[in-house]
Amino acid sequence: GENVEQHPSTLSVQEGDSAVIKCTYSDSASNYFPWYKQELGKRPQLIIDIRSNVGEKKDQRIAVTLNKTAKHFSLHITETQPEDSAVYFCAANNNDMRFGAGTRLTVKP
Amino acid sequence: SAVISQKPSRDICQRGTSLTIQCQVDSQVTMMFWYRQQPGQSLTLIATANQGSEATYESGFVIDKFPISRPNLTFSTLTVSNLSPEDSSIYLCSVVVSPNTEAFFGQGTRLTVV
Repeated sequence: GENVEQHPSTLSVQEGDSAVIKCTYSDSASNYFPWYKQELGKRPQLIIDIRSNVGEKKDQRIAVTLNKTAKHFSLHITETQPEDSAVYFCAANNNDMRFGAGTRLTVKP
Repeated sequence: SAVISQKPSRDICQRGTSLTIQCQVDSQVTMMFWYRQQPGQSLTLIATANQGSEATYESGFVIDKFPISRPNLTFSTLTVSNLSPEDSSIYLCSVVVSPNTEAFFGQGTRLTVV
């Protein structure tokens, strides 16, 4: 089955800096790659996603890149703000969704 | 999109008993899943709830311990049986409206076994 690895497990940045989270997946048939943000005590919420026929997607301060050949994808957050502090999960989907271990992002004011 | 109502939001149960968690969606969805999340940890897929047939369980999860029902396209239940303290966790229902699209989550059920 699909195996998703995510790095780093924790990330601390200064407000205004960029944050990058990286994931790899094992199943070449996976074709949908969402990123979720989970704030303490809340449910995961989708922040951005990318499909296998696209290499990059951007939504304001958030961007995701996908390298299908290498089977890795990354989340980029620019101009980070304290409210970006949360746990972020990547996922790879081929009929069911498998999540990475999560990255706890802390943005220091 | 999909709006999910998951009940109960939390419960404290005695060891040896069972807890049934309900997941109700406001529209028909293609797929329903059950996840377990230890505090501060990732989401571990327990099983895919199949409408009208037995659920598909992931390695390490068995039907006797985690029986699942899905009588229609909008409702599913997960039972955690013969509870032990190791079952203390957050259980989340998730749905996908159409294949390979966004997953929506219920608010989770925080289970504590004493």
